[in-house]
Amino acid sequence: AQSVTQPDIHITVSEGASLELRCNYSYGATPYLFWYVQSPGQGLQLLLKYFSGDTLVQGIKGFEAEFKRSQSSFNLRKPSVHWSDAAEYFCAVGPYSSASKIIFGSGTRLSIRP
Amino acid sequence: GAVVSQHPSRVICKSGTSVKIECRSLDFQATTMFWYRQFPKQSLMLMATSNEGSKATYEQGVEKDKFLINHASLTLSTLTVTSAHPEDSSFYICSAHLGAGNTEAFFGQGTRLTVV
Repeated sequence: AQSVTQPDIHITVSEGASLELRCNYSYGATPYLFWYVQSPGQGLQLLLKYFSGDTLVQGIKGFEAEFKRSQSSFNLRKPSVHWSDAAEYFCAVGPYSSASKIIFGSGTRLSIRP
Repeated sequence: GAVVSQHPSRVICKSGTSVKIECRSLDFQATTMFWYRQFPKQSLMLMATSNEGSKATYEQGVEKDKFLINHASLTLSTLTVTSAHPEDSSFYICSAHLGAGNTEAFFGQGTRLTVV
């Protein structure tokens, strides 16, 4: 069965500290992976995506993610968080088709400690 | 990037009435759009796939007569919540893809529906 697991429901880090949000997936074929961010009451914004090629993907706002096939993981990282990074983060997986579903993880809420 | 606009952003309606939510792709054509529902502090749950010119495909457990989807043009899909009840209160989000071979989804800003 296709699924995405984000094991951390809520993470708090200090401003300026590094961040890693975990994501594991279960997918029958080659996955296409995404990280989205959602601010309260807002829609979703794409941070980055992985389709193929270099397994370390750079995204917007200083985020990056690394695809590790052996671990079925796609963890999101940022070397130094800012207070404005406080939001909900969703990992998602989908096949390479414009009419296909994207499956979302349960999300990780990030809080920033001043 | 591509823009998907959703309207209204917030709506309050009385129990028993119907509410229509619009999802528009502003600068591209979308043969397929998706409707999601998000409960507080939870993830997005796919409700249905909206197909231009044909019937929507609903996910298991979603009442098609309750949540009417119409995709009459390549830039507009609508979700109508019929005979709304307080338990229908939720955050509804639509998404659209750019086209064949492109699986990146662009999301609307969402609609907060409150049924009183």
